[in-house]
Amino acid sequence: EVQLLESGGGLLQPGRSLRLSCAASGFIFSNYVMSWVRQAPGKGLEWVSSISGNGDTPYYADSVKGRFTVSRDNSKNTLFLQMNSLRAEDTAVYYCAKHGMVVVSPGDYWGQGTLVTVSS
Amino acid sequence: EIVLTQSPDFQSVTPKETVTITCRASQNIGTSLHWYQQKPDQSPKLLIRYASQSISGVPSRFSGSGSGTDFTLTINSLEAEDAAAYYCHQSYILHTFGQGTKLEIK
Repeated sequence: EVQLLESGGGLLQPGRSLRLSCAASGFIFSNYVMSWVRQAPGKGLEWVSSISGNGDTPYYADSVKGRFTVSRDNSKNTLFLQMNSLRAEDTAVYYCAKHGMVVVSPGDYWGQGTLVTVSS
Repeated sequence: EIVLTQSPDFQSVTPKETVTITCRASQNIGTSLHWYQQKPDQSPKLLIRYASQSISGVPSRFSGSGSGTDFTLTINSLEAEDAAAYYCHQSYILHTFGQGTKLEIK
């Protein structure tokens, strides 16, 4: 059974940094593209970042490019999102999602999300 | 950036009705269009992949169609449990989501 468990969310002030983690199980982690998708309170879904199975190729939304870094540790079946220079508009539930083997595939499994609140 | 525009934003329907939600892309995306259902306080669930491909475990009343720039999600014989928000998602160039359609069951 595929499981994705996000952690690392919390309340922090603007300008601070935070690292999210997503622990994966139930599939061969290194074979699949992974993504982070966020949802601000009461709003829709926003794609944040994706990364290829081997970790060599990251992709970012313009809204986070230069501030966020996606990475993965395939030996530990874990996906990460390093978030720097956080802004109030980054406040959201952050989901990790498993895709297929190619970046053009949909997210077929999603975690339950972790809440990040940026406020002074 | 590819923009996806869904319509309607909100729809209130009665059980057993048929519902159609549309998603228009700002440029040709072939069939790289997927549909999700999100119930309150839950994570999104994949309903349809690549415009029209069904997903194992998803009820057959959910179907998708379209290609290029215009896509449709159809829910036949609506049930109370279908109350949710529905999102389209393109993966042709990076990823973007539509703004969502909230479905209320009367």
